[in-house]
Amino acid sequence: NAGVTQTPKFRILKIGQSMTLQCAQDMNHNYMYWYRQDPGMGLKLIYYSVGAGITDKGEVPNGYNVSRSTTEDFPLRLELAAPSQTSVYFCASSLAHRGSGNTIYFGEGSWLTVV
Amino acid sequence: AQTVTQSQPEMSVQEAETVTLSCTYDTSESNYYLFWYKQPPSRQMILVIRQEAYKQQNATENRFSVNFQKAAKSFSLKISDSQLGDTAMYFCAFMLSFGNEKLTFGTGTRLTIIP
Repeated sequence: NAGVTQTPKFRILKIGQSMTLQCAQDMNHNYMYWYRQDPGMGLKLIYYSVGAGITDKGEVPNGYNVSRSTTEDFPLRLELAAPSQTSVYFCASSLAHRGSGNTIYFGEGSWLTVV
Repeated sequence: AQTVTQSQPEMSVQEAETVTLSCTYDTSESNYYLFWYKQPPSRQMILVIRQEAYKQQNATENRFSVNFQKAAKSFSLKISDSQLGDTAMYFCAFMLSFGNEKLTFGTGTRLTIIP
């Protein structure tokens, strides 16, 4: 079982560059999420999606964009990278329906450094 | 907005002993879920245990159990017979019920198991 797959795992960006973090899940989950984790901190929600074609902002959306054209994929776009975006990024998914249990499954993380 | 507080930044315990990690949360809702996630040095987020707020019985998973006190808004994690592999960051997390499946995380407790 692949679960939630993120690419790349490591990336160094220069200030002002752009990039896309890819995320795919093969569990037919309707909800997908992007979180970031700064050193010594918990995870904070950037964007989430409740289904294909629907996205919404989380706590820290500035500097990021997302799209959800299919159930499986939820890419995160960084435009004009800044040092403050140096972080570990986690993609996650869940099957949310009444009585489902709502457990969120995480990918392995993508380490991004902006220099 | 919901908040999650973990007041113990770091803890250490001898191997085979029992340790309890604390978590408190704040919400005005009555239906929600609580989770403990483990994050080893690999940074993978691993679900340890979950609790539904409507269930009075405390959840258990092998050596892991919780003490859920709904009135006090407290959700502690007890690890029995601790093992070296339990060394990790532990995050407490909160999720509202169906229709709002987003996790809010605490800042984590770094647990070290001493041989």
